[in-house]
Amino acid sequence: GENVEQHPSTLSVQEGDSAVIKCTYSDSASNYFPWYKQELGKGPQLIIDIRSNVGEKKDQRIAVTLNKTAKHFSLHITETQPEDSAVYFCAASSRSNDMRFGAGTRLTVKP
Amino acid sequence: NAGVTQTPKFQVLKTGQSMTLQCAQDMNHEYMSWYRQDPGMGLRLIHYSVGAGITDQGEVPNGYNVSRSTTEDFPLRLLSAAPSQTSVYFCASSYRSGANVLTFGAGSRLTVL
Repeated sequence: GENVEQHPSTLSVQEGDSAVIKCTYSDSASNYFPWYKQELGKGPQLIIDIRSNVGEKKDQRIAVTLNKTAKHFSLHITETQPEDSAVYFCAASSRSNDMRFGAGTRLTVKP
Repeated sequence: NAGVTQTPKFQVLKTGQSMTLQCAQDMNHEYMSWYRQDPGMGLRLIHYSVGAGITDQGEVPNGYNVSRSTTEDFPLRLLSAAPSQTSVYFCASSYRSGANVLTFGAGSRLTVL
């Protein structure tokens, strides 16, 4: 089955700096790559996703890039704010019903 | 619109006890699933359902049972709780099975002593 690896496990940045989280996947059939944000005591919420027919997608300060050849995708957050502090999960899925998640990255944005 | 509702939020069990975690969604979603979240291991799929009457195993199904008698409800049963099942459990749903956006519940924290 699919295996998703996520790095780094923790990331600390100064407010206003950029943050980058990277994930790799193993199954070349995977075609859907969402990113979820989890705040303390809550369930994960989708923040952005990308499908395999697209190389990059942006939504305000958040962007995701996908390299299908290398089987990796990344989350970029620019102009970070304290409210961006949370745990971020990447995931990969194909047409099967099995969405696999990375281990998570705890992002801390220092004011 | 409530989304995905999980109960209870917290539960403490003794080894060998049984219990059911409840999950209900009001979005008429076809697909429902259960994940467990453990430190450093992300979210791991336990069981899922692509529609009423249909369930299947995920990555870590041992020790858990599920059923899907209605579109709205997808309970997770622990038959004989073990300390290794101490975790935070999340129910998630999607309008359709396959590669689609999941909507998560708020989670149920289970401790097995």
